[in-house]
Amino acid sequence: EVQLVESGGGLVQSGGSLRLSCAASGFTFSSYWMSWVRQAPGKGLEWVANIQQDGSEKYYVDSVKGRFTISRDNAKNSLYLQMNSLRAEDAAVYYCARLEGIAVAGEFDPWGQGTLVTVSS
Amino acid sequence: SYELTQPPSVSVSPGQTASITCSGDKLGDKNVCWYQQKPGQSPFLVIYQDTKRPSGIPERFSGSNSGNTATLTISGTQTMDEADYYCQAWHIRTGVFGGGTKLTVL
Repeated sequence: EVQLVESGGGLVQSGGSLRLSCAASGFTFSSYWMSWVRQAPGKGLEWVANIQQDGSEKYYVDSVKGRFTISRDNAKNSLYLQMNSLRAEDAAVYYCARLEGIAVAGEFDPWGQGTLVTVSS
Repeated sequence: SYELTQPPSVSVSPGQTASITCSGDKLGDKNVCWYQQKPGQSPFLVIYQDTKRPSGIPERFSGSNSGNTATLTISGTQTMDEADYYCQAWHIRTGVFGGGTKLTVL
């Protein structure tokens, strides 16, 4: 069974840092682009970042460029999101998702259960 | 920046057809996906590449995309289909989601 399990969320002060992890199982992790998508409380979905299979290509939404870094460890079947200089508007549930289909422009399938990031001022 | 626009809400009676639109500039030139999200759950892919259904998705879910508008159609809507639905596309290697549509079945 394909499974994605996020961890690392929690309460952090504005300006602080947090590292999210996503453990993948049930598929050949190193063969897929991977993504982070977030959802602020009561709001819609927002794509955050993508990373290529070998980590050589990465793309970010403008609002997190220079603050967030997506990375992966194919030996550990794990995806990461290092979040620095956190702001109130970064508070959200962060989902890890596999990118299926057309490389960087595929569909998100499946999704993890999400991990909640809360930013306090 | 590229934007996708969805109606905030759509209502439908059980057994009827629900249509949820997603509009964006030249959206027909892009591949559109649709995701279903029920309260407290993660999103779930229901349509990809405009018209394709993942395995396990009922045939009552269908999609189309032309011009500036993509449409998710649910035929014979069931109460279990009540959820938020999001369209999504890619624009210059960045992901874009619509604002979401709350489908109410009553």
